[in-house]
Amino acid sequence: AQSVTQLGSHVSVSEGALVLLRCNYSSSVPPYLFWYVQYPNQGLQLLLKYTSAATLVKGINGFEAEFKKSETSFHLTKPSAHMSDAAEYFCAVSGDTGGFKTIFGAGTRLFVKA
Amino acid sequence: DTAVSQTPKYLVTQMGNDKSIKCEQNLGHDTMYWYKQDSKKFLKIMFSYNNKELIINETVPNRFSPKSPDKAHLNLHINSLELGDSAVYFCASSQGSASTDTQYFGPGTRLTVL
Repeated sequence: AQSVTQLGSHVSVSEGALVLLRCNYSSSVPPYLFWYVQYPNQGLQLLLKYTSAATLVKGINGFEAEFKKSETSFHLTKPSAHMSDAAEYFCAVSGDTGGFKTIFGAGTRLFVKA
Repeated sequence: DTAVSQTPKYLVTQMGNDKSIKCEQNLGHDTMYWYKQDSKKFLKIMFSYNNKELIINETVPNRFSPKSPDKAHLNLHINSLELGDSAVYFCASSQGSASTDTQYFGPGTRLTVL
């Protein structure tokens, strides 16, 4: 079975500061990993995904994430936070032998202070 | 044009009633999903259809019944609504059912059971 743990249900940064959202996964098979973002009162949208190609994945809005197998991590970063980045971020994993299912983490709420 | 649309956006109803939520996607995708997001933002898969065939059926009360009349539509009918059914329900779609496929989410339906 697969699982995802997002460390920190809330993260607060100042505008212009580094954003770091942590995600660790557990998987018995090579995982596929995703970061989705949910803005208030909206559905989720894909930021980026890792599908076993390059370990450093670049996404939309200046976000990137690095797959580290030895650490079973897929942390999301952005060099400089904008007010518009305030949202809920979900890490997700798929690829289990059961197929089809994507397992989502509990989410991390990002606050950006002016 | 909205890629994945849901109706209604808000649904307030009494315990014991029966209600339906409709979902349509115009992306030409083969796979559609229903997710439940609880008050703590935890996102859980309920059902998934691929080309009108049920491929994921999680441990969900049988009061919940999905129906896919064609691959562009996936509706969710809920019988005998309970207080615990209050949540945001998201429809999503993906090109196929592969583990690497990106899911595209609708805006959500906020269900409140009184």
